[in-house]
Amino acid sequence: GQQLNQSPQSMFIQEGEDVSMNCTSSSIFNTWLWYKQDPGEGPVLLIALYKAGELTSNGRLTAQFGITRKDSFLNISASIPSDVGIYFCAGQGYGGSQGNLIFGKGTKLSVKP
Amino acid sequence: DGGITQSPKYLFRKEGQNVTLSCEQNLNHDAMYWYRQDPGQGLRLIYYSQIVNDFQKGDIAEGYSVSREKKESFPLTVTSAQKNPTAFYLCASSRDDIFGSIEQFFGPGTRLTVL
Repeated sequence: GQQLNQSPQSMFIQEGEDVSMNCTSSSIFNTWLWYKQDPGEGPVLLIALYKAGELTSNGRLTAQFGITRKDSFLNISASIPSDVGIYFCAGQGYGGSQGNLIFGKGTKLSVKP
Repeated sequence: DGGITQSPKYLFRKEGQNVTLSCEQNLNHDAMYWYRQDPGQGLRLIYYSQIVNDFQKGDIAEGYSVSREKKESFPLTVTSAQKNPTAFYLCASSRDDIFGSIEQFFGPGTRLTVL
């Protein structure tokens, strides 16, 4: 079945640094979503991408839908302590059941003040 | 405020007992979903429902059951047949699944612990 590889698994950075994480798929995806999850809470949708090559920003966050349709990345600029959490990518592949998302295993971000 | 509520936040259950997790949404979304999350893992789909009185099995439906009698409610029952039920359970909804909207919005989750 379709799988998502998300990397890195974890990151330890200094406040103010930029962050980059990515997801790759073994097959073509038609939609990519990026979520953030705080400890003990549900994921919150950050950015949704629907077109290959699309670049979308949400404040300090920028995400891109790869041209090959098999990858996506998320960048966070000038990180702050509240960026701490787990970031998940999710996608829907062609032929997948409508509304069914496949999730990556997450990138755990730690920020040192 | 529109949103998704799950209750309770923490739930303890004795082995062999069934337990029902509540999920309510007032977003007027047609589709609702249940996921299971284990430490260091992504979310795995248990069941989903695209319309009232209809639901489909996800990837890990064994040992779980659901109902969708009302648009705003999608309760999940963890039965005694579920061999490893201790996990964090997340409910989600999306606007209009049959027209391709896949942006899912999540509730705060219920942490179930089997003693």
